[in-house]
This record gives sequence, structure tokens and C-alpha cells, in this order.
Amino acid sequence: QSVLTQPPSVSGAPGQRVTISCTGSSSNIGAGYDVHWYQQLPGTAPKLLIYGNSNRPSGVPDRFSGSKSGTSASLAITGLQAEDEADYYCQSYDSSLSAHVVFGGGTKLTVL
Amino acid sequence: EVQLVESGGGLVQPGGSLRLSCAASGFTFSSYWMHWVRQAPGKGLVWVSRINSDGSSTSYADSVKGRFTISRDNAKNTLYLQMNSLRAEDTAVYYCAAYYDGFDPWGQGTLVTVSS
Repeated sequence: QSVLTQPPSVSGAPGQRVTISCTGSSSNIGAGYDVHWYQQLPGTAPKLLIYGNSNRPSGVPDRFSGSKSGTSASLAITGLQAEDEADYYCQSYDSSLSAHVVFGGGTKLTVL
Repeated sequence: EVQLVESGGGLVQPGGSLRLSCAASGFTFSSYWMHWVRQAPGKGLVWVSRINSDGSSTSYADSVKGRFTISRDNAKNTLYLQMNSLRAEDTAVYYCAAYYDGFDPWGQGTLVTVSS
């Protein structure tokens, strides 16, 4: 069971907007630690998609956006494309764990 | 080109040892904290270990503490993970990753299979 909770799956048709939630607690997201998001295409390594809650690395389309509020964060994808079909993970820091670095369980995005 | 390349994975028997390497290029390796993250087949990402930029401080997940040792050689731009007393549950793809503001870049991963 992951410290950060994500829905196991979401889906949407091409062109639609989907959101993926990442719910934490007062010892991680709620404590003010940044949330980062990663995209993992099938058979490949994860790739940084959003850093510092809402910032996009160069090369990431502006269809991807991130936000954070309270003990939760969200990733939004607009104008869904077939190539967006992937697993998405949120990641933050937790002060109550020796591990400190924590990931969400991952969300499988299916483009219908 | 910014790149991390892992090596050293393979099939090992329970109780055995393996040493993973991660060669960095295209960025100032010695300035970054480095991490190992693993992913069991069909499962999510799990943090394993980290080392600070000069190698003086390390941290481990409870599941590997006392069995795994992370180290680095900044002169060789290389990160290591020595894995001892391996168990079936250590079977996973192991990724190295640099951390500044999020994990970036990631290596391509190396598969470790623990089985008799």
C-alpha cells in the first residue's frame, strides 16, 4: 500500500481532458513538500513530466499541467492523444518515514 | 547528451550477491544526489536508496537496510549498488536516477532476477 494514493486507472477519448489525483497526508504533501509527476510509457523508464507541483521540463507539451492543494495534488492532461497512453506516478517526500522519498501506486491511462 | 546507463543485472540465486553500476555522462555527476529506484514486474515504483553528492551520507529503504550498500565514484562518474543476501522479493528492474527537483534523468534500468 503506497503512502500516496492514486486511482489505479483512468480513461478518456482522444481530445478529452482527464485528471489523475494523488492524495497524501500531513506528513508529506500537506507538510508543504513538492509533488513531482512521471510518465512511464510501456517498456520504458519513467520520465519527469511535472516538477515542483506545476512546472514542465522543456519538451513537455503544455497539454500536461499539475496542481497542488492541501494534502492532494493533481495531474491534468488536455487534448488526449493516443501516445499519452502510459502509467503515471506522483512522487513526494515524507518526513515520517525513514525512506523519505515516496511514490504513488501509479495510474494507468487508457486512451479509448 | 545527458545519460545514465545501468549495468550488472542478471539471474542470481537466493542468498547471492550482485553489484549494479550506473555510468553518468552529459552532466556534472558530482553535483547531484543519486538514487536507486526499483520496479517489480507489473508493479509500481519503489525507492531503494540514495547517496548525497560527495558520498558522505546514505539512506536506505527498510526492506533493503543492512543488505544493500550504495556508493559512488565521482572521478569515474559512476554510481553503484552492492546487493547482498538477495531474496526473491528483490526481483525487479533497478533504475538509477539523479535528483535535483524531481528525478531526472533516469537510466534505462537493469533487470535483477532472484531465483533458484
